[in-house]
Amino acid sequence: KAGVTQTPRYLIKTRGQQVTLSCSPISGHRSVSWYQQTPGQGLQFLFEYFSETQRNKGNFPGRFSGRQFSNSRSEMNVSTLELGDSALYLCASRGDDNSPLHFGNGTRLTVT
Amino acid sequence: AQSVTQLGSHVSVSEGALVLLRCNYSSSVPPYLFWYVQYPNQGLQLLLKYTSAATLVKGINGFEAEFKKSETSFHLTKPSAHMSDAAEYFCAVSDLGSGGSYIPTFGRGTSLIVHP
Repeated sequence: KAGVTQTPRYLIKTRGQQVTLSCSPISGHRSVSWYQQTPGQGLQFLFEYFSETQRNKGNFPGRFSGRQFSNSRSEMNVSTLELGDSALYLCASRGDDNSPLHFGNGTRLTVT
Repeated sequence: AQSVTQLGSHVSVSEGALVLLRCNYSSSVPPYLFWYVQYPNQGLQLLLKYTSAATLVKGINGFEAEFKKSETSFHLTKPSAHMSDAAEYFCAVSDLGSGGSYIPTFGRGTSLIVHP
């Protein structure tokens, strides 16, 4: 079974631009979660999507948004990028609420 | 909301020595506790999961963790460290999200350094 796939692996953007990150979950997994990982804040929960609906949301500004498609693939969008948005963005999927998260290798975003 | 504290941002051991990584959760007993490992330039991989079936949980690569309710702890141990164990380790606790499902909340992580 293929794992969670995130594209692209690396991204460099300029402050003020917007960016879209993509995540393909494990086949059959309907829940997709996004996390931001930085050295200073650790792993912070962004949001979770389940069957195309946002089910849970973390404490991030509205510049961070996401969506999920009918095939469970998910995208995350960050608008008006700030230097502090530089981070590793991790996507994770799971089969049900009692299952552990399966993580992708992340997208490393650098904002200059 | 649940919270997780990992004591020690860095732990250094010699190859063959005991590995002990500490994790404490907030006072209310969570339904699930996890340990994950992250190698450089990779995502997190599940080491083990506590589900209240047994207080001592065995995971992959020789790791195990013991749930102690009286101490609100879920420390990770391995009897003998290998060089390949060098990585970042994260403790996580399931927390009830605003949408009614449980989502993991992660500790800050502990970097394990293994010396030859």
